[in-house]
Amino acid sequence: DVKVTQSSRYLVKRTGEKVFLECVQDMDHENMFWYRQDPGLGLRLIYFSYDVKMKEKGDIPEGYSVSREKKERFSLILESASTNQTSMYLCASSSMDRAGANVLTFGAGSRLTVL
Amino acid sequence: GQNIDQPTEMTATEGAIVQINCTYQTSGFNGLFWYQQHAGEAPTFLSYNVLDGLEEKGRFSSFLSRSKGYSYLLLKELQMKDSASYLCAVKDSNYQLIWGAGTKLIIKP
Repeated sequence: DVKVTQSSRYLVKRTGEKVFLECVQDMDHENMFWYRQDPGLGLRLIYFSYDVKMKEKGDIPEGYSVSREKKERFSLILESASTNQTSMYLCASSSMDRAGANVLTFGAGSRLTVL
Repeated sequence: GQNIDQPTEMTATEGAIVQINCTYQTSGFNGLFWYQQHAGEAPTFLSYNVLDGLEEKGRFSSFLSRSKGYSYLLLKELQMKDSASYLCAVKDSNYQLIWGAGTKLIIKP
């Protein structure tokens, strides 16, 4: 019954490494999102996408990039990981909802530690 | 700036009722969401309010007052499995979600 799958639950990387976080959804949703979740803070939006090959910056895009080559897949890339990117990364998707709710379905998260 | 306030942590007893408050100051309002997140798991959708009033879903209810910038989530007949964080989020005038930091609810037997 898994609907949003994040490829890695736990990753440990070194400063300066390139990191790929993969997210796949099987609900044919148009919208996909990457958030980071840190203690004491609300979810912060990194990037989002409303369609294939389309991407929009969220509130904290610096140090990140994304790729959406297929509708079901949305990848988050850290070009050169830094210690302040140690966090929980959550992927989510939603459909275009006539009622305007656009309920998010989240993946289980990827906990990244950068040493 | 935009702001969502929720208590950091609450404790309640199994079988009791608890109310988790959320106040918001945002540029515009296009709906308020509550999500539940168990430790180490994905947030899951609980409720959506766009009009004033109470929405009831089984043991969970959510209330909204747009004039007061206020919502609450009411959990009745608490069970141990209700121990989780509860996230409040508001959709602003640009239809972007602004998230609160979450309320960790601890249920004691």
